[in-house]
Amino acid sequence: AQKVTQAQTEISVVEKEDVTLDCVYETRDTTYYLFWYKQPPSGELVFLIRRNSFDEQNEISGRYSWNFQKSTSSFNFTITASQVVDSAVYFCALSAANFGNEKLTFGTGTRLTIIP
Amino acid sequence: DTGVSQDPRHKITKRGQNVTFRCDPISEHNRLYWYRQTLGQGPEFLTYFQNEAQLEKSRLLSDRFSAERPKGSFSTLEIQRTEQGDSAMYLCASSGLANEQFFGPGTRLTVL
Repeated sequence: AQKVTQAQTEISVVEKEDVTLDCVYETRDTTYYLFWYKQPPSGELVFLIRRNSFDEQNEISGRYSWNFQKSTSSFNFTITASQVVDSAVYFCALSAANFGNEKLTFGTGTRLTIIP
Repeated sequence: DTGVSQDPRHKITKRGQNVTFRCDPISEHNRLYWYRQTLGQGPEFLTYFQNEAQLEKSRLLSDRFSAERPKGSFSTLEIQRTEQGDSAMYLCASSGLANEQFFGPGTRLTVL
């Protein structure tokens, strides 16, 4: 069975601070995908990133960066120089990488509040 | 805009009534997913289609729930004899081969 744990329920930081959202996962699959989604107050889930389990390179996209460590089953997300528009609930998710078994298993989310 | 669309956006119904939701995926996506999200929780998988074939259905899904994707394009999710516990946001997502699932705005169901 797959499981995603986001231990941080809520985080508040002052604007321009850096913030890291933690994600730990469990799976028996040898190949899998990891995801991050953003859910702003409007409610629609916004896709941020997908990583393959065989690719442990960290990724940077603008102010966003992701640190994937297979040894600790973690896929953490860092926002640099946070902005008020980053305020949202962030979900980490996991899926198998084989055909027909690609449903997403989500964590419970981390509510991030950026204080102006 | 050619993203995933869902209709209606909000539905209020009385307990015991049937409701049906529609999802239109991104046009080139052959995979379509339904999820349910309750307050303070992450989305929970309900069912999944590859073209018109329903490949998986969650064991948590009651027999009152049924989904179709008759021509491999849009999908419908029907809930029969609704209960108050069915109140939730129902989310649809679609993906192509890369399994990057893009979500629609959701249908918020309230059962009175």
